[in-house]
Amino acid sequence: AQTVTQSQPEMSVQEAETVTLSCTYDTSESDYYLFWYKQPPSRQMILVIRQEAYKQQNATENRFSVNFQKAAKSFSLKISDSQLGDAAMYFCAYRKTSGSRLTFGEGTQLTVNP
Amino acid sequence: EAQVTQNPRYLITVTGKKLTVTCSQNMNHEYMSWYRQDPGLGLRQIYYSMNVEVTDKGDVPEGYKVSRKEKRNFPLILESPSPNQTSLYFCASSLREGGADYGYTFGSGTRLTVV
Repeated sequence: AQTVTQSQPEMSVQEAETVTLSCTYDTSESDYYLFWYKQPPSRQMILVIRQEAYKQQNATENRFSVNFQKAAKSFSLKISDSQLGDAAMYFCAYRKTSGSRLTFGEGTQLTVNP
Repeated sequence: EAQVTQNPRYLITVTGKKLTVTCSQNMNHEYMSWYRQDPGLGLRQIYYSMNVEVTDKGDVPEGYKVSRKEKRNFPLILESPSPNQTSLYFCASSLREGGADYGYTFGSGTRLTVV
């Protein structure tokens, strides 16, 4: 079974600084997708970024980028120029290409200090 | 506006009283799914549906039922709720096109308390 692990229950960053959230996963599949979701206090789940496993190029969405290391099964999220609105719970998630189940990590609570 | 609508947002009920949480999406998505979120456990899949009349169990299906009679609706039914089903529930839908996965769109969540 696939598992997703986020080893940092909590992280904090100063406003305008950069922070990296870690995620590792375990799978025997070669084709899959990886996602980062953000959950602010409103509890809405918001898709931040997605990565296809067959693509070597790391995905980027404005201030958000990932470091995808397929061999190491690592998928970290880097947030540049952190803003107060980035404060939220962040979830890493995995989904194999042929399936519909989205497997989530435990989450990392990010605090942004002014 | 493209969205997934869940109702109610908050619900307090008593043990054993049947309840239904509704979910509707207006994006014509084939895939729909229910998750529960508990502290320290992330989100866990309860049931999913790949299309009308096609449903299957997720990781934690015990105590729940679902149905998919129409493409847009995917209600979650708790026939006899118990306190261990107190949780935050999310409905989500997803489009897959040409093999590409665009990620799930989530509803706003339902906070369920069973006393």
